[in-house]
Amino acid sequence: EAQVTQNPRYLITVTGKKLTVTCSQNMNHEYMSWYRQDPGLGLRQIYYSMNVEVTDKGDVPEGYKVSRKEKRNFPLILESPSPNQTSLYFCASSWDRVKTQYFGPGTRLLVL
Amino acid sequence: DAKTTQPPSMDCAEGRAANLPCNHSTISGNEYVYWYRQIHSQGPQYIIHGLKNNETNEMASLIITEDRKSSTLILPHATLRDTAVYYCIVRVAVNRDDKIIFGKGTRLHILP
Repeated sequence: EAQVTQNPRYLITVTGKKLTVTCSQNMNHEYMSWYRQDPGLGLRQIYYSMNVEVTDKGDVPEGYKVSRKEKRNFPLILESPSPNQTSLYFCASSWDRVKTQYFGPGTRLLVL
Repeated sequence: DAKTTQPPSMDCAEGRAANLPCNHSTISGNEYVYWYRQIHSQGPQYIIHGLKNNETNEMASLIITEDRKSSTLILPHATLRDTAVYYCIVRVAVNRDDKIIFGKGTRLHILP
């Protein structure tokens, strides 16, 4: 089954404790992206990747890192999480920048 | 970036056609209009997209005005399961940048 998976789905952590949210897709898509969703603000793009070893900032990249060492995986790294990064995070993938994006189920993060 | 403007919320009676408007007055000639929806806190789901011609698929129809400055998503026979937030998105690509902008969307309530 074609899908985008994220782990963990729920995470509670404390300020400053590094964490990684994984994202994996099994559709051989070149384009992958991370979004965060906050009440009243809609979906905002954090980072995106056009292909392996190619990543670029979205609209709200501060406090986040990403890597794209292989096509199927696109982890989101919070080196020193802060409470303002409490949010619902979505990973997405597509064939390229024009094609339909497929979204993962979301990761709900709470930073205390 | 061609931003979009949507009404924050709409109601529609079950069984009737739901018509969701979107304004994108600064859209460029090579930019597509995409529609996604998000049911509760699930990952967004692709609905339909188009460039200049009207499009129809098993989920919806997309009507784009001749000047491409606005569009309407039509759900022909709305059901309670269509209650969701609907996002109108214009795909932007400048050189290698691909900042995808999700607005706040329209919260569609289907009334029994």
